[in-house]
Amino acid sequence: GIQVEQSPPDLILQEGANSTLRCNFSDSVNNLQWFHQNPWGQLINLFYIPSGTKQNGRLSATTVATERYSLLYISSSQTTDSGVYFCAVVGAGGTSYGKLTFGQGTILTVHP
Amino acid sequence: SAVISQKPSRDICQRGTSLTIQCQVDSQVTMMFWYRQQPGQSLTLIATANQGSEATYESGFVIDKFPISRPNLTFSTLTVSNLSPEDSSIYLCSVEDGGFAFGKLFFGSGTQLSVL
Repeated sequence: GIQVEQSPPDLILQEGANSTLRCNFSDSVNNLQWFHQNPWGQLINLFYIPSGTKQNGRLSATTVATERYSLLYISSSQTTDSGVYFCAVVGAGGTSYGKLTFGQGTILTVHP
Repeated sequence: SAVISQKPSRDICQRGTSLTIQCQVDSQVTMMFWYRQQPGQSLTLIATANQGSEATYESGFVIDKFPISRPNLTFSTLTVSNLSPEDSSIYLCSVEDGGFAFGKLFFGSGTQLSVL
């Protein structure tokens, strides 16, 4: 099956700093999503971005499908950004957007 | 996006017993998905629940251990049977958004299961 690798595994920032999280995947995808899992365990869908660039406030994401990677940018980080960021994909042969393969996540800690 | 209610939010169970987790969605959805998140790990898909048919299980998950019901288009249950400490995990239900947020998957708040 498709493999998803995220980097870095851990990231520690001071409030106000910017960061870039990376997601590499081993095969073509027809669905790629970024999630934030907050310290209470709730998973929030940040982006559905199988290709191109999207922005939502301080967050933006870019997927270069031909090179099999996606980047999540966090600008002016806040303590509430802390948590685990997951990249998840559905391979190009998949038929359901719900059958995601998740990466191992990036643990982000933002200090005040 | 769909609003997903999952309960219980957490439970502590004895070895050998079973736990049934409920998932209620505020709109009709074709497919519901059950995921497991083991401690400190990522999420793994257990099965896909379609209304009116048997659930489809992923490799490594079997119906006898994880029976699923899907009686209508807004509700599903996952039972974790014959519990062992290795079943201690967070279990999450999720649904696709076929409308404005097409392609996105949304999750319930999860059930944290601890097995003694």
